[in-house]
Formats: sequence, C-alpha cells, structure tokens
Amino acid sequence: SQTIHQWPATLVQPVGSPLSLECTVEGTSNPNLYWYRQAAGRGLQLLFYSVGIGQISSEVPQNLSASRPQDRQFILSSKKLLLSDSGFYLCAWTGVGTEAFFGQGTRLTVV
Amino acid sequence: AQSVAQPEDQVNVAEGNPLTVKCTYSVSGNPYLFWYVQYPNRGLQFLLKYITGDNLVKGSYGFEAEFNKSQTSFHLKKPSALVSDSALYFCAVKAGNMLTFGGGTRLMVKP
Repeated sequence: SQTIHQWPATLVQPVGSPLSLECTVEGTSNPNLYWYRQAAGRGLQLLFYSVGIGQISSEVPQNLSASRPQDRQFILSSKKLLLSDSGFYLCAWTGVGTEAFFGQGTRLTVV
Repeated sequence: AQSVAQPEDQVNVAEGNPLTVKCTYSVSGNPYLFWYVQYPNRGLQFLLKYITGDNLVKGSYGFEAEFNKSQTSFHLKKPSALVSDSALYFCAVKAGNMLTFGGGTRLMVKP
C-alpha cells in the first residue's frame, strides 16, 4: 500500500534562517506531488506541484522554492525565512484519476 | 483556471439532524471532485470522490455527496450528524494535474 511521510511535525525557526521540509512517498511510481500551506486552520494554498523529477510548477511567487530530486521525494526550501512563512505545510500525492493522499503536516513557526 | 467555492465558513447542526455542506466548482472539461475532512493539527483525510457514473456518491463515515453538473455543485450530506463529525471540511476539484481546494467549512455538531 502507498504511504506518505512528511517531517518534521513541528519546527520553530528564527527569522532569516534556512528551511528544508521533506516529503517522501512509498508504494507508487511517478506520483504527482504537491506542497500546500494552510494559514490559521483555514483554506489550502497551493504552493508548488510536480509531475516528475526536476519538474516544478510554482503557483504563488514567494520566499519558498521546491525541488524533486527523486521520483518519490519532494522538498520545500527557503534560504531566509520570514515571519509570514509561518503556517501549516502539507505535502500530498495523487495518481492518475485518484484522490490526493496527505502527509500529517508540518507546523512551522518563524520567530 | 479552475476554482472551488464553499460559501459557508461554518455550518451548525444539532446531533441527529441531517447536514449539508455546500460546494460549487468551476473547471474546463470533466472534473474529478473530492471531499476531505481535517481534524486539528492533522493532514486531510479523504471522504469520497466523484469521477464518473452515478451522481450520488457514498463515502466514509456515512457521508455522501451529490454531483449536479448543471449547477456545478457537489454538496456533502449526511442523514444524521454526530458530535464526532465536528471538523473542517474541504471540497476539491482536480483537472489535469491541478488540484484545487475550497476555503473550507467548519462543521459544528452540537449535542
């Protein structure tokens, strides 16, 4: 069966520090991968999605970047965090015609 | 561009009463439609999906949803609400590789 791992679960980082959040998927090949941010327990904002290795689409220009170095690995990064980067970050994957499966999320607090 | 609207920020219902959470969408072509539920500080859990076929879709925990192509709606329903159904609910549409979520509706079921 397929599983998705996302870590860390919580993170407190100072302003100006770098960020790396990792997401890996098991049990499937060539998934579509997504990074979302959720502010204040409300709507999901799509940040990046990827349909294959090295293929990244950015939906919102901002202080973040994403990379897909391997088929089932998706990384969200920042060189210098801002206070406004605080939020709940969710990784997800889909197959062809399937629903999205979500990781458990990372609560990022920038202080 | 595709979009999803959930017109109610919050729905209040008494335990044992039927519930409806509304969703309308806009997309080119035939959509894949989904409902998800989120509990505090957790990732999203899949409830049900419409891909094709019967307009009434049954899902987890007694939930169902009705696809209405002419009204471009996909409302979530349950005949008898439980207090444990209280959570944040998201409608989503997938067309191509894009997976777009509505803003979420908080369901409050009171004893």
